[in-house]
Amino acid sequence: QKEVEQDPGPLSVPEGAIVSLNCTYSNSAFQYFMWYRQYSRKGPELLMYTYSSGNKEDGRFTAQVDKSSKYISLFIRDSQPSDSATYLCAMNEYSSASKIIFGSGTRLSIRP
Amino acid sequence: DTEVTQTPKHLVMGMTNKKSLKCEQHMGHRAMYWYKQKAKKPPELMFVYSYEKLSINESVPSRFSPECPNSSLLNLHLHALQPEDSALYLCASSPRGVPGNSYEQYFGPGTRLTVT
Repeated sequence: QKEVEQDPGPLSVPEGAIVSLNCTYSNSAFQYFMWYRQYSRKGPELLMYTYSSGNKEDGRFTAQVDKSSKYISLFIRDSQPSDSATYLCAMNEYSSASKIIFGSGTRLSIRP
Repeated sequence: DTEVTQTPKHLVMGMTNKKSLKCEQHMGHRAMYWYKQKAKKPPELMFVYSYEKLSINESVPSRFSPECPNSSLLNLHLHALQPEDSALYLCASSPRGVPGNSYEQYFGPGTRLTVT
């Protein structure tokens, strides 16, 4: 079993829809939870990070962490064609410092 | 300056060549990383430098040799690579060194390497 599981998609939704992206994990020691966005042929870009459980909102993006279920989500409201990219969840243990574990990424396409 | 730069953007090399990839950041970050990314896969960690010292080597073959000449610059020296080493090589930096927490990593655009 992988430490972090993420549905690779592809996921295609119409412009303006609410998008829900999810990851599950098995390591209960994970404390930091991140979402990266990667456009084709570019490096990943850090979108949001959350410490422990709870919600965090930034503009059209909301990250949720449920540590009891080992489940994290990223919601995108009023989705735009420019949101079309691969979204990678990532997480790490405080004690492991530099090493972050990535999910496999979900390819998202927003149809105009 | 809030970005990580990488050169070259593309590199084609033969299996007997020696080449180097370069990464720079001027954000005062204390840790720098090399990742390898194959198509449709997540980045795989190769090396971590913290305060200019190698702190993590993920059992990477010796044909990859990292170097950190100063706090802003990171190189990856390549020698006798194999075709299966063809990939996107990403550099990243984070504000905190080791020990600490580096969840906040900033990536460069990558060097697309092809080994023939």
